[in-house]
Formats: sequence, structure tokens, C-alpha cells
Amino acid sequence: DTGVSQDPRHKITKRGQNVTFRCDPISEHNRLYWYRQTLGQGPEFLTYFQNEAQLEKSRLLSDRFSAERPKGSFSTLEIQRTEQGDSAMYLCASSSGGRESHEQYFGPGTRLTVT
Amino acid sequence: AQSVSQHNHHVILSEAASLELGCNYSYGGTVNLFWYVQYPGQHLQLLLKYFSGDPLVKGIKGFEAEFIKSKFSFNLRKPSVQWSDTAEYFCAVRTGGFKTIFGAGTRLFVKA
Repeated sequence: DTGVSQDPRHKITKRGQNVTFRCDPISEHNRLYWYRQTLGQGPEFLTYFQNEAQLEKSRLLSDRFSAERPKGSFSTLEIQRTEQGDSAMYLCASSSGGRESHEQYFGPGTRLTVT
Repeated sequence: AQSVSQHNHHVILSEAASLELGCNYSYGGTVNLFWYVQYPGQHLQLLLKYFSGDPLVKGIKGFEAEFIKSKFSFNLRKPSVQWSDTAEYFCAVRTGGFKTIFGAGTRLFVKA
């Protein structure tokens, strides 16, 4: 499968714990996005990488959230000191450069449940 | 603030009925517009997109959408739906930079 992959698919954690999610984009895509989706809502933009540079970050991304893409390939999203309000589906998407760069390919998501 | 509104949260249609899902956005400048679809158990995938040119765009599976700049709208249409079109549909807008704003989605259920 050459699509976007995310790991894990599901994560249950207790409030206050740290969690880390991984996203592997389509190999030739240099642009990577993270979104959060809660029940009944569309995806909400969290952050954007072009290669290894984090170029845009939503105000939704509090100090407890950090994302990296160290070598311009896979990316990680870490949430520290999780809260129940962090329970959501975390989606990763990637896109190529050029005119089609805004066509994003989504992964299956990581569903986080904070108890 | 920039936003995307999808007017129908749930739509139920019988097979062969025509479909129109409304989408309006709030932004006065140049936009790129998208409709994404999520079939049950599957990833979000692109249905169609508008960047420039002909405001009537055609996508996969017989879907089309019309960009009406004066109305800030990008409604999705299909003349005859099938049971396999049962899914959740998201309108999305990119207004600048790399941030894409999604609507809340419309769940379509097509009765066989």
C-alpha cells in the first residue's frame, strides 16, 4: 500500500499521560498536514510541514502539542499531559508540490481516547 | 474568521433521486475549493476540486460542483444517486497559505 499510513490506529490513554502518533506520507510528497476531527465536525487544521520545516501552526495547537518531521519524511505528533478534551481522531495528510499541491491524500487516522 | 458552512447535516434519498449538497464559505479573496468524501470504513478522499477556469467542475463517480463566486458557494450535485454513494461529504476551502478549512460534513444515506 503506497498511501498515507498512520500508527497506531487506536490509542487509549489515561489523563495526564503523554502520547505520540506517527504518520508516514506518500513517499514523493514533500508536504504534510495534521488535522484533528471530533464527532460531528470536519477536520480542523493543526499544522503543516514542507519538507522538515513547520511552516504553519494553528492556534488550536496548544503548548502541550508538538509536531516534528525531522528528515522530511515521516512525522510525529506528540500530546503531553493529555486531557479528556484531546479525545478525537487525528488525521495526517500529504501532498506533492506544484499546482496539485493542494490536493491532499489522507491517512486512516489515529483515534485517541483519553479516560 | 474564515469558515465553511454545509447546510445539511443529514440527507436521506432514494436511489435515482437527484442530489444537491450546499456549501458556502466566508472569504472575499481567491479560493481553492474541494469536496472530499468518506465512505464507511474508508479514508477521506478527494471527490473534485476547483482552482480556476470553468466554474463547473466534474469529479469522480458522476459528481459535479459549481463555483458561484457572487454567492460564495460551491454546491455539489449528482443527477442520480446510487446506494454506493452513502457516505459523508465534506466541503473544504483553501484561502491562502497552506491551511484548508473544512465544513462540518453532510451524511448522505441512500435507500436501495
